Amino acid sequence: GQNIDQPTEMTATEGAIVQINCTYQTSGFNGLFWYQQHAGEAPTFLSYNVLDGLEEKGRFSSFLSRSKGYSYLLLKELQMKDSASYLCAVRDSGDTGRRALTFGSGTRLQVQP
Amino acid sequence: SAVISQKPSRDICQRGTSLTIQCQVDSQVTMMFWYRQQPGQSLTLIATANQGSEATYESGFVIDKFPISRPNLTFSTLTVSNMSPEDSSIYLCSVVYRGGPYEQYFGPGTRLTVT
Repeated sequence: GQNIDQPTEMTATEGAIVQINCTYQTSGFNGLFWYQQHAGEAPTFLSYNVLDGLEEKGRFSSFLSRSKGYSYLLLKELQMKDSASYLCAVRDSGDTGRRALTFGSGTRLQVQP
Repeated sequence: SAVISQKPSRDICQRGTSLTIQCQVDSQVTMMFWYRQQPGQSLTLIATANQGSEATYESGFVIDKFPISRPNLTFSTLTVSNMSPEDSSIYLCSVVYRGGPYEQYFGPGTRLTVT
C-alpha cells in the first residue's frame, strides 16, 4: 500500500520562498506528482519527478529523493494567487497493472501580504 | 496539456436516484481514472476505466454502485447509483496521454449534491 504525509497547513509572506515537504512509504514507485488546487476547482498539474534531483519550472521547483522517500515543492517569489492546497501524489509501479495515483491529504498554503 | 471536459458540471439529485457523469478527452489517452473528492478531503481513486472491458475498482468501491464504461480511447462514463447523501462529492475524471510524458491531468469535476 501507499502512505503519504505532508503538513496540513502552512503560512508564508508574499514575495518569500516556501518549501512544502512530502514523505512517502510505498510498495511500488513510478513517479511523484505535485498538484495545485484552488478552492472549488480541479487539481492543476505542477510537476512530475521520477528520477532523483531537482526539476525547475519557473517559480516552482520539485525535488525527489527515492532512497529517502522524500520530495519537496519549492515556491519562490510568492504571490497572493499561490494561496491554494498543494497535493503530493505517488504513482504505483504498475507491476500489478495498477498505475494510478495515491494522494496525500494536501497542504493548505496561505500567502499573507 | 489536456483538454478534458465533464458533463454535468454540477447536479442536485434526490436520494435513491442515479446520475451518469461523462468524461470526454480531446485526443487519445492510455489511461483514464475516476476519482472522488469529498468535502474538505483529498482525492480518492474509485477505479481505472479500461477500454472495452470491465473497470478495475479500488478497495471499498464496487461495480454495482459505480458502474463505469469506456467504449473508446477518448470517452468514459461513471454512474453513481442509488445515491445517498454520503455520495455528495466532487467526481473527477483523470487521464494519462498516449505517447506523451506520463503526466496525469484532471477534468474540471462534477459537483454532486444528494438531498
